[in-house]
Amino acid sequence: NAGVTQTPKFRVLKTGQSMTLLCAQDMNHEYMYWYRQDPGMGLRLIHYSVGEGTTAKGEVPDGYNVSRLKKQNFLLGLESAAPSQTSVYFCASSYDGGKGSYEQYFGPGTRLTVT
Amino acid sequence: KQEVTQIPAALSVPEGENLVLNCSFTDSAIYNLQWFRQDPGKGLTSLLLIQSSQREQTSGRLNASLDKSSGRSTLYIAASQPGDSATYLCAVRPRDSWGKFQFGAGTQVVVTP
Repeated sequence: NAGVTQTPKFRVLKTGQSMTLLCAQDMNHEYMYWYRQDPGMGLRLIHYSVGEGTTAKGEVPDGYNVSRLKKQNFLLGLESAAPSQTSVYFCASSYDGGKGSYEQYFGPGTRLTVT
Repeated sequence: KQEVTQIPAALSVPEGENLVLNCSFTDSAIYNLQWFRQDPGKGLTSLLLIQSSQREQTSGRLNASLDKSSGRSTLYIAASQPGDSATYLCAVRPRDSWGKFQFGAGTQVVVTP
């Protein structure tokens, strides 16, 4: 099993450009998440999905859109990148292992720089 | 809103000492708490998950305790090694969430030979 994979690993964008980050998981997990990690701030939830075809806003959703057309994939889009979106982006997936556990499994991250 | 705090932000210990990492949360209504390890430039690796009904969870040299009433969890790493150097994060799943976790900012640990 590859677990959770993310594409690309690194990207540099200019202000105003758009891009899509791809997350894929092969563990048949229902739940998927997009986080951003900034120095000293921990991980903050951008958007999440509780199943194929569903999405919901997290803590910091502005400037991002997501789609979950297939159970194994979760896409994060930036329509018009801003320097404030410079960050490391992590995708995660989880399942209910019983008693509401939802243990999370993370991808390796995408380092995005917006100039 | 649930807030998760990890103090100290950084910690340095000599090899062989036991590590004690703290995680505090403001709302005791949680489903569970998960401890992660993050190496520089890498993703998060799950270490332990403690259900709200459990007091502790153990895996090898790692032991995590949970005291919901006081809003605390502690991760103990016995006989630390240089390979334990990493950032350790805790995350809690509030009872009003849909499988979502709230993360602390992490404690950066350096174990010196």
